[in-house]
Amino acid sequence: KNEVEQSPQNLTAQEGEFITINCSYSVGISALHWLQQHPGGGIVSLFMLSSGKKKHGRLIATINIQEKHSSLHITASHPRDSAVYICALERDDKIIFGKGTRLHILP
Amino acid sequence: DAGITQSPRHKVTETGTPVTLRCHQTENHRYMYWYRQDPGHGLRLIHYSYGVKDTDKGEVSDGYSVSRSKTEDFLLTLESATSSQTSVYFCAITGTGGGYGYTFGSGTRLTVV
Repeated sequence: KNEVEQSPQNLTAQEGEFITINCSYSVGISALHWLQQHPGGGIVSLFMLSSGKKKHGRLIATINIQEKHSSLHITASHPRDSAVYICALERDDKIIFGKGTRLHILP
Repeated sequence: DAGITQSPRHKVTETGTPVTLRCHQTENHRYMYWYRQDPGHGLRLIHYSYGVKDTDKGEVSDGYSVSRSKTEDFLLTLESATSSQTSVYFCAITGTGGGYGYTFGSGTRLTVV
């Protein structure tokens, strides 16, 4: 049983659309991370959440600890947002990664 | 990225040869991690370190060893490389006590032929 599940696995959308990526988990955590990886690129940390909501530019991340669920939203999506978005759980000084959501924004 | 570097960036090696990958940090962070990334599996933890000479195994540690003789360096060694170890390897660091987030290296693409 996977401790962290992301949905959808793949998402294609038109430029300008509002994007939502979901992450559900089944274990206790100390924090949840959202990461971004461009094709052939390194991994960049977008957010670290332990409660509530955070916003950075067009990106918004929320977490509901009781429901063990987090969402990453992208407003006014742009082709440069095309990447793999990874949800990761921080637990016992380690992180457990989701398999990622591959996002493709069409111009 | 500033603060963490991996070397080499790319390596091709033959089956059965030893290989060492290096992760170097300038952040003085306590925790360092080695992950491998494979299609369909996402990132999986190989080994991690919580201090100098303090290391522990992750979920896919077989065939790998690590060493950390200095805070800034965490070495991953494949004693006898196999084709199943062809992968992209990422190092990550974080500080102590939470709230630091994780910083990832740029990755090492290893091909075992």
